[in-house]
Amino acid sequence: AQKITQTQPGMFVQEKEAVTLDCTYDTSDQSYGLFWYKQPSSGEMIFLIYQGSYDEQNATEGRYSLNFQKARKSANLVISASQLGDSAMYFCAMRERTSYDKVIFGPGTSLSVIP
Amino acid sequence: KAGVTQTPRYLIKTRGQQVTLSCSPISGHRSVSWYQQTPGQGLQFLFEYFSETQRNKGNFPGRFSGRQFSNSRSEMNVSTLELGDSALYLCASSAGRLGGGGAWNEQFFGPGTRLTVL
Repeated sequence: AQKITQTQPGMFVQEKEAVTLDCTYDTSDQSYGLFWYKQPSSGEMIFLIYQGSYDEQNATEGRYSLNFQKARKSANLVISASQLGDSAMYFCAMRERTSYDKVIFGPGTSLSVIP
Repeated sequence: KAGVTQTPRYLIKTRGQQVTLSCSPISGHRSVSWYQQTPGQGLQFLFEYFSETQRNKGNFPGRFSGRQFSNSRSEMNVSTLELGDSALYLCASSAGRLGGGGAWNEQFFGPGTRLTVL
């Protein structure tokens, strides 16, 4: 069964510092995609970054990078140079190729950026 | 390009009533998915529609139903509301197919409908 684990319910980071949000996943499928979303207090879900299971290089999108370790089934999000606007909930999510658009989300990590 | 829109944004209902939520996907997107978000259960997948057909379904009772129209707009309906149905209901759209290199297209979320059941 699909499962996403995020072991850090809450995290604090100093402004301008880098932070890593952990995510491990469980799937028996060989083809899948991993996503990270940001949810500010307003409630909207904002897509941040995507990593495909067959991608050999780690994905990067601006200040966001995904540390993908397939053998360990981990997909950690790294935010460099944290900004106050990064304070939000962050969700790791997975979609298996055979499940079309069914996305399974982790419980989320609440990130607070301290000035 | 306009984003995903959801109406209404807020709803207050009483137990036993029914409710219909609407979602308009991004133009050109054929897949619409629905999610329920609660503090206790987190984000849970409800169902997904692609070209007017339900392609995937989560583990929710039959009181939760949905449909998709030919213009890809989607509605979800909850009948006989219970207190536990109070949640943020999020709709997401995507092209619904694999993109280049076998990568899945990302889903784009709407602002959500916050339903309160009294």
